[in-house]
This record gives sequence, C-alpha cells and structure tokens, in this order.
Amino acid sequence: EIVMTQSPVTLSVSPGERATLSCRASQTVSSNLAWYQQRPGQAPRLLIYGASTRATGIPARFSGSGSGTEFTLTISSLQSEDFAVYYCQQFYNWPQTFGRGTKVEIK
Amino acid sequence: EVQVVESGGGLVQTGGSLRLSCAASGFNFRSYAMNWVRQAPGTGLEWVSGISGTGIATYYGDSVKGRFTISRDNSRNTLYLQMNSLRGEDTAVYYCAKAGRFCGGDCPTPSYLDSWGQGTLVTV
Repeated sequence: EIVMTQSPVTLSVSPGERATLSCRASQTVSSNLAWYQQRPGQAPRLLIYGASTRATGIPARFSGSGSGTEFTLTISSLQSEDFAVYYCQQFYNWPQTFGRGTKVEIK
Repeated sequence: EVQVVESGGGLVQTGGSLRLSCAASGFNFRSYAMNWVRQAPGTGLEWVSGISGTGIATYYGDSVKGRFTISRDNSRNTLYLQMNSLRGEDTAVYYCAKAGRFCGGDCPTPSYLDSWGQGTLVTV
C-alpha cells in the first residue's frame, strides 16, 4: 500500500500568519491527492482534491499544490477557525490511505 | 443538501458482531461509491472499506478483511457495514463517507471523499 507521510506533526502559528503543511507519498499518486480538515469533535471536511482544486465553499486562503509524490497545503492567513488537524489522502489506488495528520495550533 | 447519517454503533464484547447503517439523502445514491472510515480514540483516520455504486465491487483494508462486509441497498439509499469477530483494536468512531467522483458505472479506482457523516462510536 502507498504510505503517506505528513510533516510536521505539529505546527505552531500565530493568527494571520501563513501555514505550510507537507505530504509525501511513498510512490507516485499523480494528482490523486486530497486534503481534509478536522476540528475537535467534528467529522473531517474536504478542503482540496485533485491536489489543487478547492472543494465547494472552501475559502481562497486554502491552496494546494504538487504532483507525483510531494504535496503542499498552504493556508495564507490563519483564522481562528483554521486551528485544527489536517490530513492528506491518496486515492490513486486501493487501499486509499491517509497520512497521520498535522495539527495546526495557536502559537 | 447532501446528507449521510450513521447509526448502529454501541458497546459489544470481543468476538461479537455489530451492523452499522448509513442513511443517505440529497444525491443520486446509486451513482456514487461509498466508504467507511474509522478513527480510533486520539488517532488519525483509517479507511476501512469501500463499495461501488452498483455494489458489485467491494474493497477492504487489510485490518478488517475477512471480518467485515460492506453492502448497500440502493432502493433504500442505505449503506451497511457488518462487523464480525470484533477486537479491541476495532474500537473507533466509524464515519460513512460519500465518494466525490461521479461514475456512470463502477469506478475502478478510489475517490476523494466529499461528504461525511458525524460518525457512530463502536466500543469493543
């Protein structure tokens, strides 16, 4: 199975600053990569699919980039509601797999 | 509005069985693959199982293969997960998630997951 590795595990950022999260696949997944946000006590929410396409209703401050094995999620100016855990997921082949997550916390 | 609502979770003894259900609404259910994803306490997301729109193709993670069975009833817009031989490590919140990719038939590859339920807790 394809192993997804996210870094860092925890990211401390001040409100209004930029956050950059990384996701690496153990083999190519082309652009079959999604990002999800999970706030405490809530279900995950789709942010980005196809590596760079924002899901419906997702603010423009969220952007995704990359292809092949290296991917990045950027949050341009962190708002209070953005402090959460973020997961990447590959849907290139079965089994689809998730990274272990990056927690974005208030600095 | 797309909505998926899980039910059927609860407390079960080791070796026991449980069946989860997921009621879907707001979209053409038979046209989309569906999935179960779980999250053990304090940990990340683990994909458990997926099923194609027609129900012909099913997929499982290694940790549940041979113990769990996914199925769907397109006439009732409902997804199921039959869980047998339950173990302590199966304790988790189980989420029902709709595939985002539309397929006229059955998609041969997985998809991103664009709608999630609130989850149902299974404790073994």
